[in-house]
Amino acid sequence: GQNIDQPTEMTATEGAIVQINCTYQTSGFNGLFWYQQHAGEAPTFLSYNVLDGLEEKGRFSSFLSRSKGYSYLLLKELQMKDSASYLCAVTDSNYQLIWGAGTKLIIKP
Amino acid sequence: DADVTQTPRNRITKTGKRIMLECSQTKGHDRMYWYRQDPGLGLRLIYYSFDVKDINKGEISDGYSVSRQAQAKFSLSLESAIPNQTALYFCATSDFGQEVETLYFGPGTRLLVL
Repeated sequence: GQNIDQPTEMTATEGAIVQINCTYQTSGFNGLFWYQQHAGEAPTFLSYNVLDGLEEKGRFSSFLSRSKGYSYLLLKELQMKDSASYLCAVTDSNYQLIWGAGTKLIIKP
Repeated sequence: DADVTQTPRNRITKTGKRIMLECSQTKGHDRMYWYRQDPGLGLRLIYYSFDVKDINKGEISDGYSVSRQAQAKFSLSLESAIPNQTALYFCATSDFGQEVETLYFGPGTRLLVL
């Protein structure tokens, strides 16, 4: 079956750096997405990786290793507003999106 | 104004009732989707539509039906609601012509089936 694994919850301190990991086993691969979802709100797009390597976008970066079925989202200079769930999703060989359950990130002052 | 809107935002209904959730978008996207979100589970696709004449089942379509009334409107119906359909429902759109086809979600409908 197809599977996306992420930690259920993580805690970090304001101003610090946190890395949220995502591993996947899917039938084929056509890209990996990260979405941010604040409590009670809709998910919003953060990043996309289709080739190996690091994509940087301001305080957020996303890394992909296709051979290892692995990605991470790196958040730097954490702010209280970064408290949210972070959803990893993979597009499989049929271009269907497979979603992880999300990682709830708690930021402490 | 929001680009993707959903009505109602909250709904309480009883087992066996038929209900409809509505979605409208002003983004001009051809592709629309209905997802449900449950605690501890990833988003699961119920139905999707790539244009007005196209309707496709997702991974959990049983107990649901949809109607694509226009490019801008995609409604989800629960023919006979049951308690395990209690969930947060999201409508989403996407643009196939984008370099990266990202999803744009509506604000969600929180449904409770008693």
